[in-house]
Amino acid sequence: AQSVTQLGSHVSVSEGALVLLRCNYSSSVPPYLFWYVQYPNQGLQLLLKYTSAATLVKGINGFEAEFKKSETSFHLTKPSAHMSDAAEYFCAVSEVGGGYQKVTFGIGTKLQVIP
Amino acid sequence: DGGITQSPKYLFRKEGQNVTLSCEQNLNHDAMYWYRQDPGQGLRLIYYSQIVNDFQKGDIAEGYSVSREKKESFPLTVTSAQKNPTAFYLCASSPIRERNEQYFGPGTRLTVT
Repeated sequence: AQSVTQLGSHVSVSEGALVLLRCNYSSSVPPYLFWYVQYPNQGLQLLLKYTSAATLVKGINGFEAEFKKSETSFHLTKPSAHMSDAAEYFCAVSEVGGGYQKVTFGIGTKLQVIP
Repeated sequence: DGGITQSPKYLFRKEGQNVTLSCEQNLNHDAMYWYRQDPGQGLRLIYYSQIVNDFQKGDIAEGYSVSREKKESFPLTVTSAQKNPTAFYLCASSPIRERNEQYFGPGTRLTVT
């Protein structure tokens, strides 16, 4: 069974500081991994995805994530935080079973950006 | 503009009433999903459908029902049997191809008192 662990339900950073949101996964097959962002009272928007083509994945809004198989991690980073980055971020892993794509989401990490 | 629409954005109901949440997509996606979001619990799958007239229970289907009469539409009914229906409900869709990302609607916040 697949699972996702997001370390830290709340993360605070100063504007201009490095953003690091942690995600560890468990999967019985080579995983497809995703990071989504959610602004208050809105749906989820895809930031980036890992599909085994390259271990360093670049996404929208200056975010990137690195797939590390040995650490079963897919941490999200951004060199310099902007106020507009304040949102909730979800890591997700995808598997196919019984012809159906099952996506398991982490519990989310709320990012606060301090001016 | 292609996308997923959910209506209404906010919904209030009295306990004991059934309520139906709308989800429509014009992305020509075969698969559609309903998730429930509660603070600190991430997203939990309620139902999913891969083709018209077929759907499967997810992890927390009790107290919910769905239909898929058209490819574009996947309404969710929250029945009076759902013990704790107040939540944020998200609809999503994806192509049927293996392990694509899901596209999400804006959500419906349901409050039952």
